[in-house]
Amino acid sequence: DGGITQSPKYLFRKEGQNVTLSCEQNLNHDAMYWYRQDPGQGLRLIYYSQIVNDFQKGDIAEGYSVSREKKESFPLTVTSAQKNPTAFYLCASSVNRARRNTEAFFGQGTRLTVV
Amino acid sequence: GDSVTQMEGPVTLSEEACLTINCTYTATGYPSLFWYVQYPGEGLQLLLKATKADDKGSNKGFEATYRKETTSFHLEKGSVQVSDSAVYFCALRGEGANSKLTFGKGITLSVRP
Repeated sequence: DGGITQSPKYLFRKEGQNVTLSCEQNLNHDAMYWYRQDPGQGLRLIYYSQIVNDFQKGDIAEGYSVSREKKESFPLTVTSAQKNPTAFYLCASSVNRARRNTEAFFGQGTRLTVV
Repeated sequence: GDSVTQMEGPVTLSEEACLTINCTYTATGYPSLFWYVQYPGEGLQLLLKATKADDKGSNKGFEATYRKETTSFHLEKGSVQVSDSAVYFCALRGEGANSKLTFGKGITLSVRP
């Protein structure tokens, strides 16, 4: 079945450590996105990528980094510079970001907790 | 910039009650409008969408009409079920070539038997 797979589902990190969240899609989508979800704040865009080897900062990119070496994969690294990393992280993809009437498809999310 | 405003929640209803969740937006031109649903511990799923004025999106008994004159896209259902308990997000994608998907804050719906 086609879809987006995020792993792991739950992740615990010690303060000061970097951690990488995985996102893989087999939908042949060009565009991929990372969102952060906090209670009562909706979804906020961290980074997005419209094509392989290219990505742009979203609204809250500080303390995060990404790469897009393959069309299928868009991993997110939460660095020690992110002051409040505990959140639910959602990865999404769409056919093409420039096509305004296309929806985004979401993974099941990764819940990151700093301990 | 683009923005989406949803009514404050949470909302608690009895089974078979009518549901309306308000959503208004600010955007230039003619954005595409979406409703997403999120069940506990899961990602978001597209519930319905509308891409031009006066379009009605519908799915699983839910409906929403794209109202350009009132910049609204209210979600309605005539008879809710316990299984409809979830968080509902209104979203828009603007007209521009590089427009992003902008979400409202979401509203939690709880349906009791």
